[in-house]
Amino acid sequence: AQKITQTQPGMFVQEKEAVTLDCTYDTSDQSYGLFWYKQPSSGEMIFLIYQGSYDEQNATEGRYSLNFQKARKSANLVISASQLGDSAMYFCAMREGEDSSYDKVIFGPGTSLSVIP
Amino acid sequence: EAQVTQNPRYLITVTGKKLTVTCSQNMNHEYMSWYRQDPGLGLRQIYYSMNVEVTDKGDVPEGYKVSRKEKRNFPLILESPSPNQTSLYFCASSLNEDTEAFFGQGTRLTVV
Repeated sequence: AQKITQTQPGMFVQEKEAVTLDCTYDTSDQSYGLFWYKQPSSGEMIFLIYQGSYDEQNATEGRYSLNFQKARKSANLVISASQLGDSAMYFCAMREGEDSSYDKVIFGPGTSLSVIP
Repeated sequence: EAQVTQNPRYLITVTGKKLTVTCSQNMNHEYMSWYRQDPGLGLRQIYYSMNVEVTDKGDVPEGYKVSRKEKRNFPLILESPSPNQTSLYFCASSLNEDTEAFFGQGTRLTVV
């Protein structure tokens, strides 16, 4: 079963608008971590933001924020004021944790974001 | 400069010919991983290592081996490559399992 679901294979957003990329996850662990990474067309993987399962506040990093809804197992990425350089693939990932005695990282299939001028 | 270095960047090989993809990091990170990326599947973790001499299987370990004899190096070994191992491979390192991962530039492997 898919542990990380990203239901939007492709999205478009107008430059300067905000956009939300969806991510839902499935785990029975109490301790886990959630990540978002960006992969531009050049291919490198770039870390954006991290949220721990015990963090009470939503994580923010500049124009990126993570809308963490633990009960719904949802960790959506919000990008404010989109820029042309935000056009890329975006991956949600989860580190399953201590309760499972391992520390695997699982990625979702990704969402392709295109920013329109 | 903090970086993760993978070699080679591109490799074409034949079925059954053993190969090693090297990965080295200069950040004294404890956690290192190997991933493969295939279209529509995102990245899938092959193996990870929590520290020297500590390695464990990720989601798709079959056909791969790793070793972690030194903290900085985490080579990926394909003892007998097959065409279904044609993929883009990434090595990554992080301070621990809950901090940002730094990725290498990727190795595009083709097995014919």
